[in-house]
Amino acid sequence: GENVEQHPSTLSVQEGDSAVIKCTYSDSASNYFPWYKQELGKGPQLIIDIRSNVGEKKDQRIAVTLNKTAKHFSLHITETQPEDSAVYFCALGGGYQKVTFGTGTKLQVIP
Amino acid sequence: DGGITQSPKYLFRKEGQNVTLSCEQNLNHDAMYWYRQDPGQGLRLIYYSQIVNDFQKGDIAEGYSVSREKKESFPLTVTSAQKNPTAFYLCASTEGWSSEKLFFGSGTQLSVL
Repeated sequence: GENVEQHPSTLSVQEGDSAVIKCTYSDSASNYFPWYKQELGKGPQLIIDIRSNVGEKKDQRIAVTLNKTAKHFSLHITETQPEDSAVYFCALGGGYQKVTFGTGTKLQVIP
Repeated sequence: DGGITQSPKYLFRKEGQNVTLSCEQNLNHDAMYWYRQDPGQGLRLIYYSQIVNDFQKGDIAEGYSVSREKKESFPLTVTSAQKNPTAFYLCASTEGWSSEKLFFGSGTQLSVL
């Protein structure tokens, strides 16, 4: 089946610095790549997504890049704030395609 | 506000006991899902339902059962056959089966006494 590797598993950054989380995958048929944020004690929430016909997408302080040739996509958070502290999951697929989740990255933003 | 409500937030199971986790949505979504979350692992699909009165096994259905008698409700029963039930359980929905965006509830933490 589809496999998604997510790195790093934990990440600590100073407030105001940038954070980058990377996911690699094996199935070239995937065409939808969402990112979910899970705050403590809550369910994941979609924060940004990208499709295979786009290389980069930005929404305020967060951006996602996709390299289909190398089969990896990354989440970039700039000017990090304490409220960005959470677990972030990458995923592949959705809709008619089975969703496969990465193992998660625990981001800690230190004030 | 529309959303997904899971209850209870915490649940304890005795050995040999079946327990049922509740999931209710008022989003008018057709499809609903149950995921299991273990520390350091991605979410794994237990069961899903594309429409009322229909449901399918996911990747780890053994020891679990579901029903979908109403559009807004998708309860999950963890049976005594599930030997390692301690986990965080998440219910989710999508507008339709072909919809990509998952909406999640706040989860239920199940622990074994």
